[in-house]
Amino acid sequence: AQTVTQSQPEMSVQEAETVTLSCTYDTSESDYYLFWYKQPPSRQMILVIRQEAYKQQNATENRFSVNFQKAAKSFSLKISDSQLGDAAMYFCAYRSAMNYGGSQGNLIFGKGTKLSVKP
Amino acid sequence: DAGITQSPRYKITETGRQVTLMCHQTWSHSYMFWYRQDLGHGLRLIYYSAAADITDKGEVPDGYVVSRSKTENFPLTLESATRSQTSVYFCASRGTYTGELFFGEGSRLTVL
Repeated sequence: AQTVTQSQPEMSVQEAETVTLSCTYDTSESDYYLFWYKQPPSRQMILVIRQEAYKQQNATENRFSVNFQKAAKSFSLKISDSQLGDAAMYFCAYRSAMNYGGSQGNLIFGKGTKLSVKP
Repeated sequence: DAGITQSPRYKITETGRQVTLMCHQTWSHSYMFWYRQDLGHGLRLIYYSAAADITDKGEVPDGYVVSRSKTENFPLTLESATRSQTSVYFCASRGTYTGELFFGEGSRLTVL
């Protein structure tokens, strides 16, 4: 079974600085997707960025970028020029690309990293 | 409005009572999911549905029942609520082409 591990329960960053959130996963599959979701105090789950495992190029969305290391099974999120609105819980998630018996299309989540942004 | 909506947003009930959390999506996505979120556990899958009338258990299904008579609705029922079911519940649907999950706003359930 696949697992996702976020080893940093809490992180803190100064406004305008850069912070990196760690995520590792365990899988025997070669084709899958990885996601970072943001959950602000409003509770809404917001997709930050998505990475397809077959793509070597790291995904980027504005100030958010990932460092995807497939061999190491690592998927870290870098937030540049941190803003107060970035303060939230961040979840790393894994989804198999295979459609087979089981929780098809289900995301497997890490336990989350709570990010605080200091003004 | 297009999207995925959950109701109620907040619910307080007593042990032993039946509770139903509603989930409605307007995209006609085939796959829908129910998760619960608890501190220290992240989000865990309760049940999922691949299409109308097709449902299956996830990681933590005990004490829950689902149905899916229509593609757009996926209610979650706690037949006899227990304190351990106090949690925040999220409904989600899976995008057809992107594969990402779109989440509702969550339902906070407290069982006294």
